[in-house]
Amino acid sequence: AQRVTQPEKLLSVFKGAPVELKCNYSYSGSPELFWYVQYSRQRLQLLLRHISRESIKGFTADLNKGETSFHLKKPFAQEEDSAMYYCALTSGGGYNKLIFGAGTRLAVHP
Amino acid sequence: ETGVTQSPTHLIKTRGQQVTLRCSSQSGHNTVSWYQQALGQGPQFIFQYYREEENGRGNFPPRFSGLQFPNYSSELNVNALELNDSALYLCASSSEKGGRELGEQFFGPGTRLTVL
Repeated sequence: AQRVTQPEKLLSVFKGAPVELKCNYSYSGSPELFWYVQYSRQRLQLLLRHISRESIKGFTADLNKGETSFHLKKPFAQEEDSAMYYCALTSGGGYNKLIFGAGTRLAVHP
Repeated sequence: ETGVTQSPTHLIKTRGQQVTLRCSSQSGHNTVSWYQQALGQGPQFIFQYYREEENGRGNFPPRFSGLQFPNYSSELNVNALELNDSALYLCASSSEKGGRELGEQFFGPGTRLTVL
């Protein structure tokens, strides 16, 4: 079955500390992986996707097919990073059904 | 460029009633997907509409149905409401790329449905 698991409901760090939001997936085939973010009172928006291999707002994520993981990392957290983060996958192609994890709330304290 | 809009913002219904939620896609997008987000959970895929036809469905019963109009706006209809239908309903629009590969999905603000 296709599934995305985010084991932490809440991750609390201090400003300047490194951050790693964990995401594991199960999927038979070659999925496309995403991280979505929802800031307070804003709509869900795409943060990054694994195929673009870029860094957005200092965040990076590497797809590890052996461990079926797609963890989100940032070396130095900022207070404005506080938000809800969702890992998601899709089979891609013409049927763009996103499967989301339950989300992790990141709280960055001053 | 206008973003994805949804109406109404909030809605309260009683068990057994029917509800219609509306979504206007972003300019230039021809595909709309609907998601249900229960409290404390991630969004769950309900179905997707592409050029006015259903293009895939998640694990939701037939009392969840939808429509897409020629202007690519969309409706989600839920019949015989149950208490556990209470959730935030999100729509997302995207555009077809070459070879049916879809571009980024842009989400609306959602409609909060409460079933009493």
